[in-house]
Amino acid sequence: GEDVEQSLFLSVREGDSSVINCTYTDSSSTYLYWYKQEPGAGLQLLTYIFSNMDMKQDQRLTVLLNKKDKHLSLRIADTQTGDSAIYFCAESDTGGSYIPTFGRGTSLIVHP
Amino acid sequence: DTEVTQTPKHLVMGMTNKKSLKCEQHMGHRAMYWYKQKAKKPPELMFVYSYEKLSINESVPSRFSPECPNSSLLNLHLHALQPEDSALYLCASSSRQGLGGYTFGSGTRLTVV
Repeated sequence: GEDVEQSLFLSVREGDSSVINCTYTDSSSTYLYWYKQEPGAGLQLLTYIFSNMDMKQDQRLTVLLNKKDKHLSLRIADTQTGDSAIYFCAESDTGGSYIPTFGRGTSLIVHP
Repeated sequence: DTEVTQTPKHLVMGMTNKKSLKCEQHMGHRAMYWYKQKAKKPPELMFVYSYEKLSINESVPSRFSPECPNSSLLNLHLHALQPEDSALYLCASSSRQGLGGYTFGSGTRLTVV
């Protein structure tokens, strides 16, 4: 079945770049997403990438997709304490039910 | 309006109570979802409504009963819950098939005592 893997924790210093990694197994994954969840809140869609793209940039966020290795990354430039949250990678397959499969989430801790 | 609004934000209920969770969106989205999320875990899909019809039920126990009265509203009726049902319940909506991602509400924190 589909599987999405993420490391559980990442700790960075304020002002540094953060890179959160994700791997997936479904070769027919078409859309890949990054969601952010702050404590006590719902999930917020940060960005998504279509599988025919290699990169997408949106202000401080850069998404890189290596389709051959089924590897997705989210880079946050100039990381701020407000970026501390759980980041979920998700994939959906247009050949299936379209329902996204979520990874377990990476907890990003930003130190002053 | 680009939000999904969930009420109440917090709910404490006994195992014999009946309560309802409510969700509302005015983005014209025709797909709406209920998710359950335990601490430190990803959200787990419970139900999907598409064009106000139930399209997916992920084998959820009958003590959870969803309802979609119209295209903007989604309810989750709760009855005879167990303590292990305590969790954050998230509502989400999306345009058709959700390929541009979901908009989530901020959730209802449910505690069953």
